[in-house]
Amino acid sequence: GAVVSQHPSWVICKSGTSVKIECRSLDFQATTMFWYRQFPKQSLMLMATSNEGSKATYEQGVEKDKFLINHASLTLSTLTVTSAHPEDSSFYICSARRVGGRSTDTQYFGPGTRLTVL
Amino acid sequence: LAKTTQPISMDSYEGQEVNITCSHNNIATNDYITWYQQFPSQGPRFIIQGYKTKVTNEVASLFIPADRKSSTLSLPRVSLSDTAVYYCLVGDGTGANNLFFGTGTRLTVIP
Repeated sequence: GAVVSQHPSWVICKSGTSVKIECRSLDFQATTMFWYRQFPKQSLMLMATSNEGSKATYEQGVEKDKFLINHASLTLSTLTVTSAHPEDSSFYICSARRVGGRSTDTQYFGPGTRLTVL
Repeated sequence: LAKTTQPISMDSYEGQEVNITCSHNNIATNDYITWYQQFPSQGPRFIIQGYKTKVTNEVASLFIPADRKSSTLSLPRVSLSDTAVYYCLVGDGTGANNLFFGTGTRLTVIP
């Protein structure tokens, strides 16, 4: 259980185009999903927190108009990189917070999406 | 935020037990400790979570002393496939504390 999928797993696009990445929790409901970015040899950096049915909360330095996040259902969140440029090339990872029976809950991560902007 | 500190890297031979320690001096009363494993070009994978004393599952053990200011992930008899980056995070799951990854520990298993 607790499987999170991402689609696509990799994408190559031209500079100036927009790219949409989907994140799905397959066997549980996630009221909260998170989007991270990871550059080579670096740790994960939180970009934004996505709550179902409300606006996303962005971390400092992350442009909300460039990285559009939609969390329309309890199992799906999307990240759209608008007008992508080469510096947006990175590994994008989503996670979903599973609310379980314990007194705390845990993030489960998707496999990641490799974005390359030419 | 409960900041964590881990060794940047560790090497181990196959078949040995590996212990990775994480410091979290300002852990809050409600915080849990969670460890993740990440292979290159993959998302982090949940390994184990605990609050105090010892927790064991099919892949690892987690030791947490009474003051909870540190924790140790123990991997028994590592194999080459355990070469990865290991992250510890602390938080209560309701706030932002468990969302910020530190540097992690890059474990290299040597044949």
